[in-house]
Formats: sequence, structure tokens, C-alpha cells
Amino acid sequence: IAGITQAPTSQILAAGRRMTLRCTQDMRHNAMYWYRQDLGLGLRLIHYSNTAGTTGKGEVPDGYSVSRANTDDFPLTLASAVPSQTSVYFCASSDSGDTEAFFGQGTRLTVV
Amino acid sequence: GQNIDQPTEMTATEGAIVQINCTYQTSGFNGLFWYQQHAGEAPTFLSYNVLDGLEEKGRFSSFLSRSKGYSYLLLKELQMKDSASYLCAAKDNYGQNFVFGPGTRLSVLP
Repeated sequence: IAGITQAPTSQILAAGRRMTLRCTQDMRHNAMYWYRQDLGLGLRLIHYSNTAGTTGKGEVPDGYSVSRANTDDFPLTLASAVPSQTSVYFCASSDSGDTEAFFGQGTRLTVV
Repeated sequence: GQNIDQPTEMTATEGAIVQINCTYQTSGFNGLFWYQQHAGEAPTFLSYNVLDGLEEKGRFSSFLSRSKGYSYLLLKELQMKDSASYLCAAKDNYGQNFVFGPGTRLSVLP
């Protein structure tokens, strides 16, 4: 693994089903983020974690949960998917301070 | 509140210069970042400013005025491969989070 990896790359999900999007980074970054990207709305922050063991809510957290059991992994769970959660989801990580964020390749999720 | 504004779309000609503007309001400020995103791909980092002034990196330059809450990305000698969305993002002090603008879709025409 080099950088930040997301899985799956794409998924079609029935409404009401539970789904976990996986994100792993090997850069030992403290901070990790989940964004969703929708046409015309740009990247919106769902949840974040500044360090292992802590998480926080972003701009659009409803319907999503996260955990940060260790530095490398930051899974995003949709407890009961709804069609409005159809989007492209990006995981990102950054070191503390004034450094940039690195993005995973994205997960394209369609809820039907 | 937090708000980032940038134009939705721009068009320019191959070989020309284009300036993409961004205005921001954030809770605290810890830097202004520009990203490039090609269709169907992840955003990739282009430049970073935390102090006022111009940062130059090859064909790309970025400017910041903290007092005005304003930044721009300057792309010189445009190439067809520069057709992409350009995302402006401010990093806040509170949660160390990145707040992104809606992105500017740049089309470079021959």
C-alpha cells in the first residue's frame, strides 16, 4: 500500500442496507477525513478525526458514523442507506499543522 | 460561519494565462490550498499559501491576501491537459479541517 487506499471503488446498494466504506493510509498521518462530492456542491466534510481514538462531526454527518481505532484506518458506515446518499465519497489524510491533504481514489456509491 | 466562493466555470485558450479567484471566510485560518481534479479522479494538491504574497511553482502560481480573505490561482501557458476542476480550500484552526469551495471547472480550448 502506498498512500491512501479506499475500498470498494464503486458499489450499488439497496436502500435500507448497511454499508461500510474502508479507508487505509500508510503515511502515519494524524488527521483523516471523509468527504462526499456532489455535482455543484463541491467536497463536503462528513466526519473527521484529528488523531487515533477521536472523531468529530463535519458539515453533513447525519446518517453516517465513523471510528478511528488506530492511526491507519478510518471506516465510514452508513447504517441504513437512503438514495440521497448516492455520491462519490473521498477519504483524505493529512499531517498536523500546515500540510496538505492527500486523497484516496474515491468510492462511487449508488443507493437504489 | 465558513464560506468559500469561486467561479463555477471558466474557459480559456491553449497557450493563454488564466486566473481563478477564490474568496473565503473561515473560523480561524491555517492556510489556503489549491487542488486540481480531473473528471472521475481524486483531487491532487497544487499549492499552499499561509502568508500574504505570491507562491510560484512552474506554470502555476498562487496568491494570498489574508486581510481581504482572497486568493487566486494563476495558470500560465495553458495546455489541454489543464482542463480540470480547480478547488480552493481553507484550513481552519479549530478542527484542523479543510473547507472546500464548489470548484471551478476550467475548459482549455485549442
